[in-house]
Amino acid sequence: EAGVAQSPRYKIIEKRQSVAFWCNPISGHATLYWYQQILGQGPKLLIQFQNNGVVDDSQLPKDRFSAERLKGVDSTLKIQPAKLEDSAVYLCASSPDTGELFFGEGSRLTVL
Amino acid sequence: GQQLNQSPQSMFIQEGEDVSMNCTSSSIFNTWLWYKQDPGEGPVLLIALYKAGELTSNGRLTAQFGITRKDSFLNISASIPSDVGIYFCAGRRAGNMLTFGGGTRLMVKP
Repeated sequence: EAGVAQSPRYKIIEKRQSVAFWCNPISGHATLYWYQQILGQGPKLLIQFQNNGVVDDSQLPKDRFSAERLKGVDSTLKIQPAKLEDSAVYLCASSPDTGELFFGEGSRLTVL
Repeated sequence: GQQLNQSPQSMFIQEGEDVSMNCTSSSIFNTWLWYKQDPGEGPVLLIALYKAGELTSNGRLTAQFGITRKDSFLNISASIPSDVGIYFCAGRRAGNMLTFGGGTRLMVKP
């Protein structure tokens, strides 16, 4: 069974530029999550989708971050404009009804 | 911010030793998950716990869901070099939100 796919694996941008990350969850998983993991810390939830609806985006900095899952399958996370403190690994995860999360390899963002 | 207190933050042990780490919280959780993360990779699920008092093993790993539902423990027996990595606990409360601990960095000396 294919795992959670994410791209790009690495991205380097300058502050105030924009960036987008893509995620394709495990087939059949209705719930999709985006997490931000700053170096040395545990993952922090940014947004959770159930099919194509948002369940929780309370910790998403909505002035610069946006995410969508238009057809209830793959998802994109966008940052515009990026700040230095956005440097982190952005992890996508999906889960079946059991609630166990399965993570992708992550997209590492460096903002200069 | 983080609501799970995970300890220890790091451990440096000799190969063959047993390892214990734990997560505590002031909140009650319905599910506890334990993950391992290698450098440059996403977290990989090790063990999932769904009931208070539950004790579950996965090879040399054993995890327990605390009776109070506010804590969980992970034990690794007879550690080997490939156990090196960062171990995260994660707890799920009612409402489906999963919260992660700060991680325990494990280093194993051959």
